[in-house]
Amino acid sequence: NAGVTQTPKFQVLKTGQSMTLQCAQDMNHNSMYWYRQDPGMGLRLIYYSASEGTTDKGEVPNGYNVSRLNKREFSLRLESAAPSQTSVYFCATSRGGGGPTFPSSYEQYFGPGTRLTVT
Amino acid sequence: GDSVTQMEGPVTLSEEAFLTINCTYTATGYPSLFWYVQYPGEGLQLLLKATKADDKGSNKGFEATYRKETTSFHLEKGSVQVSDSAVYFCALSGGGGADGLTFGKGTHLIIQP
Repeated sequence: NAGVTQTPKFQVLKTGQSMTLQCAQDMNHNSMYWYRQDPGMGLRLIYYSASEGTTDKGEVPNGYNVSRLNKREFSLRLESAAPSQTSVYFCATSRGGGGPTFPSSYEQYFGPGTRLTVT
Repeated sequence: GDSVTQMEGPVTLSEEAFLTINCTYTATGYPSLFWYVQYPGEGLQLLLKATKADDKGSNKGFEATYRKETTSFHLEKGSVQVSDSAVYFCALSGGGGADGLTFGKGTHLIIQP
């Protein structure tokens, strides 16, 4: 079992370029999440998906879009990268959670991260 | 909104010392509480969790008790090892905000031999 995988591991973009970060899980989990980690800021939620076909904004969604392609895959897209989006991006999954009304008490499992630099 | 406050490091201890990392939270609902650990260059791993008041989470010699009256979830270990050097994050979910975890800023722990 691979658990949660992310591609690529590293990426350098120029301002204005676009790219998609990929996340896949083989844990049969319903919920998937994208976070960014910045020095001194902890992790902040960008978007999440409580189930296949649904997505919701988190704390810092501006400049990003997401797609829940199927139960296994959840991608994060930067349409026009900016230096402020330089960060380490983590994908995570959990068993349950019904969105804002029924948030999850289940633990989340994290991928290894993608380190993105925008120049 | 929900928030988590934890002591910021780095915290430097000698091997076999007693460890406490303080964590307090603000949440409107009845959150679940977590401690995650991040080793250099890796993702986060769950260390322990507690889902209701007075629950104690424990794992690998680490413990934390969910204290609703003081809104705290302090991490403790009786005797730390060099291999415990990492960044530790306190987090909550289900406090009334969006699904997903709300994290503290992390505490960098350095254990010297």
